[in-house]
Amino acid sequence: DGGITQSPKYLFRKEGQNVTLSCEQNLNHDAMYWYRQDPGQGLRLIYYSQIVNDFQKGDIAEGYSVSREKKESFPLTVTSAQKNPTAFYLCASKQEGVRNQPQHFGDGTRLSIL
Amino acid sequence: GESVGLHLPTLSVQEGDNSIINCAYSNSASDYFIWYKQESGKGPQFIIDIRSNMDKRQGQRVTVLLNKTVKHLSLQIAATQPGDSAVYFCADNTGTASKLTFGTGTRLQVTL
Repeated sequence: DGGITQSPKYLFRKEGQNVTLSCEQNLNHDAMYWYRQDPGQGLRLIYYSQIVNDFQKGDIAEGYSVSREKKESFPLTVTSAQKNPTAFYLCASKQEGVRNQPQHFGDGTRLSIL
Repeated sequence: GESVGLHLPTLSVQEGDNSIINCAYSNSASDYFIWYKQESGKGPQFIIDIRSNMDKRQGQRVTVLLNKTVKHLSLQIAATQPGDSAVYFCADNTGTASKLTFGTGTRLQVTL
């Protein structure tokens, strides 16, 4: 089945540690996105990539890094500089080149601090 | 900054009744709007979308209405079922080709 796979489903981070969240899609979508969701809040954009080897900061990029070496993959690293990393992280993708297409989401990774 | 917001954080309806979830947006350049459904512990699921050249769009048991004059859209769910219980988000593209802005969500609770 085509879709977006996020792993792991749950992740724990120790103080001072970097952790990487995986996002893989087999929808052949050009654009991929990372969002952060806190309880009772909407989704906030961390980073997005419209094409391989290129990405842009979103609204809350500080303390995060990404790479886009392959079309199918857009991993997110939560660095030790992110002081409040506990949240639900969502990855999305959509087809570029055609205006007004919805983003499709994976089922998220919940990150907690040990 | 400009944002998409929702009028009601929680909506409780009886099974079989119709549900109406409202959303206000502020960016006049927005020309594409989406409704998502998010169940607990899962990612948002696309429900229906509408472009600004339309006032109404219907899907299976769902209808989205867009009022550009007052920058308001609504999601109507007919004959609400227990499986409709979830958080519903509206999102708009703020006139861009790639980015979406999301509201904070409305929790729909279906009572038996």
